[in-house]
Amino acid sequence: DQQVKQNSPSLSVQEGRISILNCDYTNSMFDYFLWYKKYPAEGPTFLISISSIKDKNEDGRFTVFLNKSAKHLSLHIVPSQPGDSAVYFCAAAPQLTFGSGTQLTVLP
Amino acid sequence: DTAVSQTPKYLVTQMGNDKSIKCEQNLGHDTMYWYKQDSKKFLKIMFSYNNKELIINETVPNRFSPKSPDKAHLNLHINSLELGDSAVYFCASSRAGGPTGELFFGEGSRLTVL
Repeated sequence: DQQVKQNSPSLSVQEGRISILNCDYTNSMFDYFLWYKKYPAEGPTFLISISSIKDKNEDGRFTVFLNKSAKHLSLHIVPSQPGDSAVYFCAAAPQLTFGSGTQLTVLP
Repeated sequence: DTAVSQTPKYLVTQMGNDKSIKCEQNLGHDTMYWYKQDSKKFLKIMFSYNNKELIINETVPNRFSPKSPDKAHLNLHINSLELGDSAVYFCASSRAGGPTGELFFGEGSRLTVL
């Protein structure tokens, strides 16, 4: 039973446009959410996080939105750059449960 | 200077063998973890460990055992390897024992069991 789901295995966007990556969760006890970025042959690296008491957190081109009633969070990247092409994982704490990732490809 | 390093990066072995993957972190973190990324790409936590407590994911077979000689190391031992153990294993560490601490991952160790 996967408590964190990323239903889109892949996403392609044009450079300069917005990328929106989605994540759903089922466990209402999760109180902290994180996004990680992973390049091939590397480990995931932390990108941005959000506490469950907030609905938005922004860091430069990256914004994470949390909708607790829908148990849904999303990561917005704007403008998207080719270097953003990677696999993006969402994760939920305290259980440190990860989704299966979404491969983002930003086309030049 | 690598923060979390794992060795070996690639490991190919036969069923039934016993193998180990080593992990070292030079970040001074208190908590270390092992994750398994299976064929469906999910990252599943196997163990978390600090100098006080080992937390084991109940779904992990007891053929898997973590060994921590000191705070900077958490090695993974696997006995009687099975085909289903083939996966990429990631070691990670975090500053605080609390789960909201950012995880720092190693590059992963790809294990292939033939």
